[in-house]
Amino acid sequence: GQNIDQPTEMTATEGAIVQINCTYQTSGFNGLFWYQQHAGEAPTFLSYNVLDGLEEKGRFSSFLSRSKGYSYLLLKELQMKDSASYLCAVTTDSWGKLQFGAGTQVVVTP
Amino acid sequence: DAGVTQSPTHLIKTRGQQVTLRCSPKSGHDTVSWYQQALGQGPQFIFQYYEEEERQRGNFPDRFSGHQFPNYSSELNVNALLLGDSALYLCASSPQDTILYNEQFFGPGTRLTVL
Repeated sequence: GQNIDQPTEMTATEGAIVQINCTYQTSGFNGLFWYQQHAGEAPTFLSYNVLDGLEEKGRFSSFLSRSKGYSYLLLKELQMKDSASYLCAVTTDSWGKLQFGAGTQVVVTP
Repeated sequence: DAGVTQSPTHLIKTRGQQVTLRCSPKSGHDTVSWYQQALGQGPQFIFQYYEEEERQRGNFPDRFSGHQFPNYSSELNVNALLLGDSALYLCASSPQDTILYNEQFFGPGTRLTVL
């Protein structure tokens, strides 16, 4: 089967750093995406990794290790608006089908 | 650019009924995918449409069907509704030639409640 695992919830303080881990066991791999989803809203794209290493985009960075089936999303200088669910998704075919984890709810406290 | 739009926003149905959800992709996007998101879960892939054909299907029964029109908009139909079909239904669009490495744009979803 296909497994994509992430922690259910994480809490951090405003201004701090939080790292959300994602491990995957899939048949095939074409890329890994991170999406942010605020309650009741559409998922919005944060990052894409296909090669090993770190991709940095402002306050958000994403890392991938294909040999370990592991990725993380790093959120720096946390703001209250970063309170949301963060979804890890893997594509394994040539059609772009996204296979999502259950999401990690990040709660930012003052 | 209006982005991906979906209608209706909310819908309440009873068991056994049928429902049709609609999606208009972002301008210039020709590929539409549908996802079901149960409360507290990640989205689950239902199917994908390209060139008016269902190209790929997830692990959903035949009660779930769809259609894509020449203007790339799409419909999701669910027959014989069950309580377990209650969920947020998301539509995502992308240009076919960049779908593997570029973001898919999601609509705001339709919240379906089955009583």
